[in-house]
Amino acid sequence: QSALTQPASVSGSPGQSITISCTGTSSDVGGYDFVSWYQHHPGNAPKLMIYEVTNRPSGVSNRFSGSKSGNTASLTISGLQAEDEADYYCSSYTTNSALGVFGGGTKLTVL
Amino acid sequence: EVQLVQSGAEVKKPGESLKISCKGSGYNFSNNWIGWLRQMPGKGLEWMGTIYPGDSDTRYSPSFQGHVTISADKSISTAYLQWRSLKASDTAMYYCARGVTVIDYWGQGTLVTVSS
Repeated sequence: QSALTQPASVSGSPGQSITISCTGTSSDVGGYDFVSWYQHHPGNAPKLMIYEVTNRPSGVSNRFSGSKSGNTASLTISGLQAEDEADYYCSSYTTNSALGVFGGGTKLTVL
Repeated sequence: EVQLVQSGAEVKKPGESLKISCKGSGYNFSNNWIGWLRQMPGKGLEWMGTIYPGDSDTRYSPSFQGHVTISADKSISTAYLQWRSLKASDTAMYYCARGVTVIDYWGQGTLVTVSS
């Protein structure tokens, strides 16, 4: 069982907005602003989309945004596009490990 | 341009040994943590461990400690993941990645298949 909890799947139509949640504890998500989000198209390398809860790396579309409230972080994708269909993983710093912890991943389907 | 290029797919038998590699370029290899993550078929990403090539400081996930060895040769900017005795359950995609709290670059993945 993953340390962080994500919904197994979400879906939306082109142009809509969706939000993926990532729930942890005060030892990880809730205690530190070190939450990252990764997009993974199977067969390709994962890609960093959000780091430190809200920051977008250079080159990542501003349709992607991150937030956090308590022990739950969220990734919002606005103006859904077909190319957004992928698996999304959250990760966080944790006091329980020298390494980060990941969520189980969420499969986004663009209808 | 930062790149992490991994070695190619491997097919091995249970009990065999294996060492896969990840060559970094476009950045100071010695001064950045580089780690390995596993993705089993149909499953999510799991940390295996990470190494700081500058001083070879290595951290392992308890789930992998003792079953794999992570090493690095900073003279050729290459990190390694090694098994002494593979099991069928080691069948997975393995990714190398730069960073720990934030992974900003990933390798393309190495598929390891262990089957008799």
